[in-house]
This record gives sequence, C-alpha cells and structure tokens, in this order.
Amino acid sequence: AQSVAQPEDQVNVAEGNPLTVKCTYSVSGNPYLFWYVQYPNRGLQFLLKYITGDNLVKGSYGFEAEFNKSQTSFHLKKPSALVSDSALYFCAVRDWAGSNYQLIWGAGTKLIIKP
Amino acid sequence: DGGITQSPKYLFRKEGQNVTLSCEQNLNHDAMYWYRQDPGQGLRLIYYSQIVNDFQKGDIAEGYSVSREKKESFPLTVTSAQKNPTAFYLCASSPRGDTGELFFGEGSRLTVL
Repeated sequence: AQSVAQPEDQVNVAEGNPLTVKCTYSVSGNPYLFWYVQYPNRGLQFLLKYITGDNLVKGSYGFEAEFNKSQTSFHLKKPSALVSDSALYFCAVRDWAGSNYQLIWGAGTKLIIKP
Repeated sequence: DGGITQSPKYLFRKEGQNVTLSCEQNLNHDAMYWYRQDPGQGLRLIYYSQIVNDFQKGDIAEGYSVSREKKESFPLTVTSAQKNPTAFYLCASSPRGDTGELFFGEGSRLTVL
C-alpha cells in the first residue's frame, strides 16, 4: 500500500539553528513528493516538490528537501530557522494506484521555533 | 489577484441541518478538490472534479455531495447523513497536468452544535 509517514508529531528548534522535518514514503511507481506548510487557521501553501533530477530540491522561504531513494525519505530542511517558520508541515506523495490523480498525505508535523 | 475563495470561514450548524460550503477559483484551473482536516490525521479527500459536470468520490464521500456546473465553482454540501461533520474543510485546485501542485483556499471551519 502506498503511504507517507511523518514520524514526529512535533519538532522544537531554537531560532538560528538548522531544522529538519522528516518524511518517509512507500509507493509502487516513481515517487512524486511534495511539502506543504499550513499556518494556524489557514489553507496549505506549496513549498517544494521532487519529480525527477537533482536529489536536493530548493523551495520557498529558504526551505530545501533531500530525496533519498535508498532510504525512501524526503526530509525537509532549512539551514537557519526563523520564529516565523513555526507552522504545521505536511509531506505528500502522488498516488499511482488509482486511475485519477490524488495525493496521499502525511499526518503533519508541528514545527515550533523558539526565540 | 488570482486565488481560491472559500466561504464562510466559520459556520455553526444544528444537528440535522444541511450546510453548503462555497469554493470559487479564478485561476482557470480544471481540477478542484475538497479535503477534510481533523487534528493529527492529515488531509482526507472528500470529492474531486477534473472537468465541468464531472466529479468523483474520494476516500470519505459518505454524507457529502458536490456539484461542478461551472469551471470556477465547486460547492460542497455537508448533509445530515454525515455523522461527525465538525471539522476544517479545505478546497483546492490544480491546473490540468501532472505537476501535483495544489492551490488551497483559506478553509471553512464547521462546528455542529
């Protein structure tokens, strides 16, 4: 079965430190992977995606993600965290099992950046 | 500016009442989606539509209905048959193609009293 796992419900990081939000996946075909961010009581915003090519993908707000095929992971990273990065982060993968397009979502990771 | 507009942002309903959540987009996107978000569960797909006058059930369609009479509009009705309707509802759209990038509205929070 195709799935996405975000193993940490919450990640706490001090401002200025590097941050990592973890995501692992299981898919039957080529993985199309995505990260979205959600601020409180708001909709989701697209951060970045991996379709093919370079394993290091750069996205919005200084975020990047590293695709690791052998570990089936797509961790989100940022070299220096800001308090404004505090939000809920979702990893998603394209569902290849159905005949129509769908995303499979992780449960989300709450990122808290402390001043 | 182009985007997706959901209304109302907050809605209270008594048990047994149907309610309709509005979703309008001016991005000229072909595909539109409705998701339900509950704490700790991520997003679950209710319905989606890839073209006008056509839509498909998602993972949790029971107790919900939709229509797609216009390209820019995809309203969701939460019926009295939905056993646990209190949730945050998100509408999204995407252009035709396989990019996987969804554009989301700001959401509608429905509370059943």
